[in-house]
Amino acid sequence: QKEVEQNSGPLSVPEGAIASLNCTYSDRGSQSFFWYRQYSGKSPELIMFIYSNGDKEDGRFTAQLNKASQYVSLLIRDSQPSDSATYLCAVDTGRRALTFGSGTRLQVQP
Amino acid sequence: GAVVSQHPSRVICKSGTSVKIECRSLDFQATTMFWYRQFPKQSLMLMATSNEGSKATYEQGVEKDKFLINHASLTLSTLTVTSAHPEDSSFYICSARFGSGSDEQFFGPGTRLTVL
Repeated sequence: QKEVEQNSGPLSVPEGAIASLNCTYSDRGSQSFFWYRQYSGKSPELIMFIYSNGDKEDGRFTAQLNKASQYVSLLIRDSQPSDSATYLCAVDTGRRALTFGSGTRLQVQP
Repeated sequence: GAVVSQHPSRVICKSGTSVKIECRSLDFQATTMFWYRQFPKQSLMLMATSNEGSKATYEQGVEKDKFLINHASLTLSTLTVTSAHPEDSSFYICSARFGSGSDEQFFGPGTRLTVL
């Protein structure tokens, strides 16, 4: 079982719709959870992080964490074509380095 | 956010040569830096954790004698790929953390290595 799992996609949504990206993790001791966006050929850029159960909102982005079910999700409201990228879920299990999922490719159709 | 730079951004070399990649934290002191590798259409895989003033901690399966890491100061870590081979061709990305109290990691722009 992979430590961090994501559906590879592609996830295709029309412009203006809500994109929902999901991630599950195996280590119950995981403490911090991150969502990164990566454009092709570029390094990841941090979108947001979450530590506590529940929702955390930042602009058009909402991260949701459920430690009991060991999943974390990212919602993107009012999706734009510029949001088209690969979204990486990353987990800090306490080792201080991040364990990444394989990423979900999002395509926002104009 | 904090700025992390990498140099060079792209390098092409012949098989058997060594390549050095620099990772710098430009506006903060990074007690810990991480080196990741990403093959096409795959996720980032941690190679090693680099702590200033001490030996790097390598992940299982990563050859420490092939991938030499030096973290000589709080703002600079280097990764040297020794005797590079075509299978070492990859996207190498470093990241840096603030002090021990911060979970945020800031990534460098990456170095694309192509070994002919």
